[in-house]
Amino acid sequence: EPEVTQTPSHQVTQMGQEVILRCVPISNHLYFYWYRQILGQKVEFLVSFYNNEISEKSEIFDDQFSVERPDGSNFTLKIRSTKLEDSAMYFCASSAQGNPPGTQYFGPGTRLLVL
Amino acid sequence: KNEVEQSPQNLTAQEGEFITINCSYSVGISALHWLQQHPGGGIVSLFMLSSGKKKHGRLIATINIQEKHSSLHITASHPRDSAVYICAVGETSGSRLTFGEGTQLTVNP
Repeated sequence: EPEVTQTPSHQVTQMGQEVILRCVPISNHLYFYWYRQILGQKVEFLVSFYNNEISEKSEIFDDQFSVERPDGSNFTLKIRSTKLEDSAMYFCASSAQGNPPGTQYFGPGTRLLVL
Repeated sequence: KNEVEQSPQNLTAQEGEFITINCSYSVGISALHWLQQHPGGGIVSLFMLSSGKKKHGRLIATINIQEKHSSLHITASHPRDSAVYICAVGETSGSRLTFGEGTQLTVNP
């Protein structure tokens, strides 16, 4: 069964460093999302991406964050200068086109720890 | 902004019991999702529904659009059902999901 994959599974970085989290969505999906979950808190939306552009972003998704679909299969989230409060589990999700677009399938997550 | 409330926050049951988890939301939606999160953190989609009822194995999800309320039922619960169950709503097609806090379910043998 097709699945969303994410790499790395864990990342430890120093405050101020740049990190890139990678996702490979399900191949025929057209909607892509990033969410995060700080330990002990609920999952929060970061950004959605459709037709090669951001379709929606939350207040969390400030200038330190960017997303890219560099090659038609990968979908990346970049944090330019990490802060301690960026420590969280980051989930990528994708869904197929349709009306409505359909179930969002989640990747296994990347656990980011900023020291 | 949609507010998603789940109850209960924690639920402990004995194996075989019938389980109900409730979810309510404040603003009209296009779809409601029930998700399962295991201790390792991974999230699995259980149901997406916009009306009526869906069943998959021992899991049943219902939604009442007028009352802005959904329930997830687990029949004949089993220890392997122990997980966090999360309700999430999407207001328009393809839009962000807004998540509830989750319900921690523990099923004892």
